[in-house]
Amino acid sequence: GAVVSQHPSWVICKSGTSVKIECRSLDFQATTMFWYRQFPKQSLMLMATSNEGSKATYEQGVEKDKFLINHASLTLSTLTVTSAHPEDSSFYICSARDEYHSGANVLTFGAGSRLTVL
Amino acid sequence: SQKIEQNSEALNIQEGKTATLTCNYTNYSPAYLQWYRQDPGRGPVFLLLIRENEKEKRKERLKVTFDTTLKQSLFHITASQPADSATYLCALDLWANFVFGPGTRLSVLP
Repeated sequence: GAVVSQHPSWVICKSGTSVKIECRSLDFQATTMFWYRQFPKQSLMLMATSNEGSKATYEQGVEKDKFLINHASLTLSTLTVTSAHPEDSSFYICSARDEYHSGANVLTFGAGSRLTVL
Repeated sequence: SQKIEQNSEALNIQEGKTATLTCNYTNYSPAYLQWYRQDPGRGPVFLLLIRENEKEKRKERLKVTFDTTLKQSLFHITASQPADSATYLCALDLWANFVFGPGTRLSVLP
């Protein structure tokens, strides 16, 4: 089945630094990937929709300059948290649709990345 | 905008019993409604989807119903096991994106 690989699974960084999270579709091509943020015991909050070869579509309230998304190929999307601060600490999860093989509009999620900003 | 409620934040049941989780939504009915399982510190995993013209869907010990009149989906786990303990999320497939419910944390007690 479809597999989405997300790295790193966890990262600790100092305030003010930037952190890049990668999301790869391993056995399928994904023209669209989604980035979510999840706080403890809360549901997934969609941050942005990443489109291959074009600009990402951000949800209301999500800062484009803070959360840079690049979808340079059909198998890779990256999320860069720029100038991270402690309030950016969260669990970030990416997902993709295997549009060609699944036969349905099903999301395959990465394992998530736990970001802790000191 | 669409809002989703899931019956309770947490649900405890005894092993062997049937767990029933509820998902209610507002506004228009989606073409598909999906259920995902999420374990702590992991990404969600797809379980089942049901189309708007389907009343019921089954997969092994799992059963999903979809009532577009009530704007509700029920998710059942029969003969529950401790390994079924997880958070279960319902999701509305709105084609362009998905809207997820807050989830119900299920604990199956041995």
